[in-house]
Amino acid sequence: AQSVTQPDARVTVSEGASLQLRCKYSYFGTPYLFWYVQYPRQGLQLLLKYYPGDPVVQGVNGFEAEFSKSNSSFHLRKASVHWSDWAVYFCAVSPGTGGYKVVFGSGTRLLVSP
Amino acid sequence: NAGVIQTPRHKVTGKGQEATLWCEPISGHSAVFWYRQTIVQGLEFLTYFRNQAPIDDSGMPKERFSAQMPNQSHSTLKIQSTQPQDSAVYLCASSRLGGRDQDTQYFGPGTRLLVL
Repeated sequence: AQSVTQPDARVTVSEGASLQLRCKYSYFGTPYLFWYVQYPRQGLQLLLKYYPGDPVVQGVNGFEAEFSKSNSSFHLRKASVHWSDWAVYFCAVSPGTGGYKVVFGSGTRLLVSP
Repeated sequence: NAGVIQTPRHKVTGKGQEATLWCEPISGHSAVFWYRQTIVQGLEFLTYFRNQAPIDDSGMPKERFSAQMPNQSHSTLKIQSTQPQDSAVYLCASSRLGGRDQDTQYFGPGTRLLVL
């Protein structure tokens, strides 16, 4: 069965510093992968998604993620963090065949210090 | 496009009362998902529908929770005899069944349920 592990429950980054949030997945085959962001008191919003193809995916607000089949990873990166990036980030995996359950990780809370 | 609509946004019930939560998926989306989110448990999958048919309810507490999708424009999640441990944010999401955007879930703002 597919699964997603986000090993860091909380990450603190200084404003302007670079960011990496880790995501490891378990899936037999090539999955579709997603990063969602949840701002306080809001639902989840899609940041970016990976379909089989270019391993580096660009998302909104300067975020990008890189798919690695060999490492079973899909880490999220940003070159320069802004205070408005303070949120919870969820990694997710699906079989990509439409209408099937998407499995979410436990989330990483990003704190941005001044 | 109004996005996924959830009503009410907030609901307060007394212990033992019934709560019904509503979700209107994005027009053209044929898959609807329900999740529950708490500080302690995080994001938990409850159930989902594909073309209005229930597909997987493995996350639903068996005794007091039920979900329906009577038509393609809305789904309901009903909790009978609510208990304080049911207090959570209930999130609804919808997605397409085909095309490049399939499996991308679009979430509503959630219904915050408080059981006193």
